[in-house]
Amino acid sequence: DIQMTQSPSSLSASVGDRVTITCRASQSISTYLNWYQQKPGKAPKLLIYAVSSLQNGVPPRFTGSGSGTDFTLTISSLQPEDFATYYCQQSYSTPLTFGGGTKVEIK
Amino acid sequence: EVQVLESGGGLVQPGGSLRLSCAASGFTFSNFAMSWVRQAPGKGLEWVSVISVSGDITYYADSVKGRFTISRDNSKNTLYLQMNSLRAEDTAIYYCGKDRCSSSNCPIDYWGQGTLVTVSS
Repeated sequence: DIQMTQSPSSLSASVGDRVTITCRASQSISTYLNWYQQKPGKAPKLLIYAVSSLQNGVPPRFTGSGSGTDFTLTISSLQPEDFATYYCQQSYSTPLTFGGGTKVEIK
Repeated sequence: EVQVLESGGGLVQPGGSLRLSCAASGFTFSNFAMSWVRQAPGKGLEWVSVISVSGDITYYADSVKGRFTISRDNSKNTLYLQMNSLRAEDTAIYYCGKDRCSSSNCPIDYWGQGTLVTVSS
């Protein structure tokens, strides 16, 4: 099975900050990397698929990059509604594993 | 509007069974793979299973293989998860999801609100 490791597991940031979350796969997954956002008590929401493609309706301050085993999610200017937990997921091969999550909190 | 709505969760004793359902609307159900993902209380997301558009290809997480069965009824726009031999560690919110494409390796672009399964005596 492919293991997905996210870092950091949590971070504190202020509105307007640039935030970067990393995700590392235990083997190459090409560009089969997706990012989700989850707010407390809510279902996850797809933000980015195939490394860098923005899901419909997601603001352009969210960007994804990387290939192979190392990937990043960047929020260019953190907004109040962005405080949430973010998960990466590989869809290269089953089981389609998730990273452990990164909780973005208000500083 | 795309909607997926889970039902069937509840309290079940260890070793018991439960069948989850997921009613889909707002899209051509038979054109998309469908998935189940779960989340134990206070924990992260765990992928559970995916089923192909026709239902003939299924994949499972090792943690549920041999105990859970995913199926679909395209005539009823409904996805199912039959859960047998339930264990305490199966306690979680179970989310149904519409995959973004027809193959079994796509992200989930629409999620239900989840149904809670509690396994306890």
